[in-house]
Amino acid sequence: DGGITQSPKYLFRKEGQNVTLSCEQNLNHDAMYWYRQDPGQGLRLIYYSQIVNDFQKGDIAEGYSVSREKKESFPLTVTSAQKNPTAFYLCASRRTSATNEKLFFGSGTQLSVL
Amino acid sequence: QKEVEQNSGPLSVPEGAIASLNCTYSDRGSQSFFWYRQYSGKSPELIMFIYSNGDKEDGRFTAQLNKASQYVSLLIRDSQPSDSATYLCAVYNTNAGKSTFGDGTTLTVKP
Repeated sequence: DGGITQSPKYLFRKEGQNVTLSCEQNLNHDAMYWYRQDPGQGLRLIYYSQIVNDFQKGDIAEGYSVSREKKESFPLTVTSAQKNPTAFYLCASRRTSATNEKLFFGSGTQLSVL
Repeated sequence: QKEVEQNSGPLSVPEGAIASLNCTYSDRGSQSFFWYRQYSGKSPELIMFIYSNGDKEDGRFTAQLNKASQYVSLLIRDSQPSDSATYLCAVYNTNAGKSTFGDGTTLTVKP
């Protein structure tokens, strides 16, 4: 079955540590996105990529980094510069063939600070 | 002003009633509008999308779009307890290539 796989489901970060969240899709989608969700709030865009080897900052990119070396993969690194990383992180992808294409979401990663 | 604003919740309706969820957006370049449902701790799932002015119906759900007023809504008829969730309005801008979400409205349907 096609879909988006995020791992791990739960992740704990120590002070000063960088951690990487994995996102893999086998839907052959060109565009991929990373969103952050805090309790009781909507999704805020961190980074997005519409093509391999290219990505753009979203609304809250500070303290995060990404790469898009393969179409299937869009890992997110939460760096030590992100002082409040505790949140639910969602990866999504979509086809870019039409404007009414929906987002396909992974199951999310809950990141907490030790 | 937020790019996408939803009516503040929580919203509580009795079973069988109509639930009305509203959303306004500021970017006139937005082309497509989506309603997602999200259960606690889970990822969002698509309920409806709309891109033309007017109404679009799918079962118990009706999406309404008014681009002149920059307003989109979702009506849920014959609400069921299983409809209890947070509903997220998302606006897609083709030129920017990204979707912007509202903060969501939490709906509770009481038996």
